Amino acid sequence: EPEVTQTPSHQVTQMGQEVILRCVPISNHLYFYWYRQILGQKVEFLVSFYNNEISEKSEIFDDQFSVERPDGSNFTLKIRSTKLEDSAMYFCASTPVRGTFTNSPLHFGNGTRLTVT
Amino acid sequence: SQKIEQNSEALNIQEGKTATLTCNYTNYSPAYLQWYRQDPGRGPVFLLLIRENEKEKRKERLKVTFDTTLKQSLFHITASQPADSATYLCALRNDMRFGAGTRLTVKP
Repeated sequence: EPEVTQTPSHQVTQMGQEVILRCVPISNHLYFYWYRQILGQKVEFLVSFYNNEISEKSEIFDDQFSVERPDGSNFTLKIRSTKLEDSAMYFCASTPVRGTFTNSPLHFGNGTRLTVT
Repeated sequence: SQKIEQNSEALNIQEGKTATLTCNYTNYSPAYLQWYRQDPGRGPVFLLLIRENEKEKRKERLKVTFDTTLKQSLFHITASQPADSATYLCALRNDMRFGAGTRLTVKP
């Protein structure tokens, strides 16, 4: 069964540094998402992306964050200047169609654990 | 504001019993609701979806109910097994938000 893949599985960075988290969604999917999960807390929506632009974003997704689909397969999340509180698991997800009016479930990758020191 | 609440942070049951997890929501009129399973260090995995016009949905040992009057969904695992131990999340796909999850532990 096709999978969403995320790299790296674990990234350690120093406060103030830029990080790029990478995701390869399932190949025929059209909608892409980033979620984060701080240790012991809930899965939080960050942003959704369709047709090369942001569809929706949460209040967490501020100017420090950006997303990009640089080619036909990768979907990236960039954090420009990391803070300690950005330490979390970041999950990428994809769906073939937008979920609101369909029964399309989210397909998640296994995440990148970001540790900011 | 819109809220999704999963009432129990943790639920411990004995193997073979039925686990019942609750998801309540406020200030939503969701078209449908989804349930996911999350194992430690892994991404959530989709289990079941139920539409607003469906009262009940089943898949093997899983059953989900949806009461739009009570604004509540119940998730049942019958004949529970230790392998069912995980965190279970409900999600209202209207706005792609998840509940905090209920950590289920099934003891042998």
